[in-house]
Amino acid sequence: DIQLTQSPSFLSASVGDRVTITCRASQGISSYLAWYQQKPGKAPKLLIYAASTLQSGVPSRFSGSGSGTEFTLTISSLQPEDFATYYCQQLNSYLTLTFGGGTKVEIK
Amino acid sequence: EVQLVESGGGLVQPGRSLRLSCAASGFTFDDYAMHWVRQAPGKGLEWVSGISWNSGSIGYADSVKGRFTISRDNAKNSLYLQMNSLRAEDTALYYCAKDIMDDFWSIPGGFDYWGQGTLVTVSS
Repeated sequence: DIQLTQSPSFLSASVGDRVTITCRASQGISSYLAWYQQKPGKAPKLLIYAASTLQSGVPSRFSGSGSGTEFTLTISSLQPEDFATYYCQQLNSYLTLTFGGGTKVEIK
Repeated sequence: EVQLVESGGGLVQPGRSLRLSCAASGFTFDDYAMHWVRQAPGKGLEWVSGISWNSGSIGYADSVKGRFTISRDNAKNSLYLQMNSLRAEDTALYYCAKDIMDDFWSIPGGFDYWGQGTLVTVSS
């Protein structure tokens, strides 16, 4: 099975900071990667699919890049509503999808 | 408006069974793959199972393979998860999620709508 490793697992940042989260796959997954944001007590929200395509309605300060085994989610200027946990997800493995372990972004 | 409403969760003893349902509305149900995702208390997301639009592709996480069965009834706009031989480690909030694509592997998909979840607690 394909494993996804997110780093860091915890991140402390200030409003206005540029934030980058990395997701590494144990084997190549082409561009079949999605990113989600989850706030406490809420269902996850799709941010990015196909590694770099912004989901409709998601602010342009969010961007994704990468292919193969290394991917990044970047928030260009962190806003108060962006403090949440972020997950990557691979959709390449035959009939088996997996999520990364998550990155919690907290206020410094 | 897209709505996904899960039901069927509850407290169940280890070894017993439970059937979850997800009622979908606001979109053409049989155009999309559907999934179950769970989240144990205080833990991360775990994909449980997925099914393509026509049930031609079905997949499971290793942790539930052989015990859980996903199905869908496109005529009823409903998704199901039959859970047998439940274990304490199956305790979680179970979400129903809609894919952006009609299939779910080796494809640039993602889950664009989620329900609010139904809680399954496995305990004696």
